[in-house]
Amino acid sequence: GAGVSQSPSNKVTEKGKDVELRCDPISGHTALYWYRQSLGQGLEFLIYFQGNSAPDKSGLPSDRFSAERTGGSVSTLTIQRTQQEDSAVYLCASSLSPGREQYFGPGTRLTVT
Amino acid sequence: QQQVKQSPQSLIVQKGGISIINCAYENTAFDYFPWYQQFPGKGPALLIAIRPDVSEKKEGRFTISFNKSAKQFSLHIMDSQPGDSATYFCAASSKAAGNKLTFGGGTRVLVKP
Repeated sequence: GAGVSQSPSNKVTEKGKDVELRCDPISGHTALYWYRQSLGQGLEFLIYFQGNSAPDKSGLPSDRFSAERTGGSVSTLTIQRTQQEDSAVYLCASSLSPGREQYFGPGTRLTVT
Repeated sequence: QQQVKQSPQSLIVQKGGISIINCAYENTAFDYFPWYQQFPGKGPALLIAIRPDVSEKKEGRFTISFNKSAKQFSLHIMDSQPGDSATYFCAASSKAAGNKLTFGGGTRVLVKP
């Protein structure tokens, strides 16, 4: 079946602009995670959605970052007023339920100029 | 605080040899320990995972060894092949915390033909 998909695959934006990154999880997966991969920080957790529960936002680095998940499926990560340090690969993962295997998408490479 | 420490950072092994990557964790609440393989430009792919109720798990050429008392786990790649050349990440998570993954820093493995 189809895996996790993310769009766009690459995004170049100017400092100060807002960006939206999209994640389509595997059908039927109730848990959805966002991670960020950068040279300096490695792979780090950002936010987690499970069903209709309030999201776990404990990994978001600043209030410029937000995310939502509509209808328990597609998720959008929004970064407002982008900064150069936001440049990274943003990865989405989904799992059938918490505690089960997480499957990652190909990521969105964000470059802030 | 780096909760999962991974070593070595890089590794060169001859074809047919054994690659060994080690990880140590601090949080005793962790109850799930996966390994991911990542090729350039791709998202991490789940390779093998273990839970702390077993000390070893083998899938094909890949084996996880787990030492709960030492809070350490390792990945062994037997009969390494050039196609195994990739970056490997260990990770750990706690179901009680939503299974959000904490990653090690990664090991770049190069298998020479």
